Amino acid sequence: QVELQQSGPGLVKPSQTLSLTCAISGDSVSSNSAAWSWIRQSPSRGLEWLGRTYYASKWYNDYAVSVKSRITINPDTSKNHFSLHLYSVTPEDTALYYCARAGGSDAFDVWGQGTMVTVSS
Amino acid sequence: DIQMTQSPSTLSASVGDRVTITCRASQSISSWLAWYQQKPGKAPKLLIYKASTLESGVPSRFSGSGSGTEFTLTISSLKPDDFATYYCQQYTSWTFGQGTKVESK
Repeated sequence: QVELQQSGPGLVKPSQTLSLTCAISGDSVSSNSAAWSWIRQSPSRGLEWLGRTYYASKWYNDYAVSVKSRITINPDTSKNHFSLHLYSVTPEDTALYYCARAGGSDAFDVWGQGTMVTVSS
Repeated sequence: DIQMTQSPSTLSASVGDRVTITCRASQSISSWLAWYQQKPGKAPKLLIYKASTLESGVPSRFSGSGSGTEFTLTISSLKPDDFATYYCQQYTSWTFGQGTKVESK
């Protein structure tokens, strides 16, 4: 059974960096049949996919156009987790953040528990 | 970006009703569509992928159909546990619909 456990701060100051980690159990971040994504949800923007990392002979990343200039998603094979770094945040980045796996179906079949992040001074 | 539009935004129904939710894509996505159910305080749960394939463990009263730009999610006989918000999602470039809340009439 695959589980994702999120960790990270719930409050970030404007202009700083939002950093979250998603620990994977029951699967591998290096799996050739999975991709690992970050998704956020807010009343104003709904569910918004932010980006993903996946391994297919080498590491790849894809990012949403809306955040492409200020996001990185990194895998950590030694800890079997992946992380989100969103730079130069503003109050508009306040949202519930989820990590999720896209498995063999290519849809998001496993989700983390969610982390509410507030951007405020 | 491919835009996903769901209708209706809210649906009032009773236990036992047949419920249909529609999702339209702004351009063809073949069958690369998933449906999720979300309850308050919980992460979305995958119900259907590839437009019509039921995820393991999901009750057979849920079904999906469509291809190209028009898709539907049907609940054949609404159960009390089905009152929730439902989202479609295309996974050619990973955008979600705005959601349909199924509430008790």
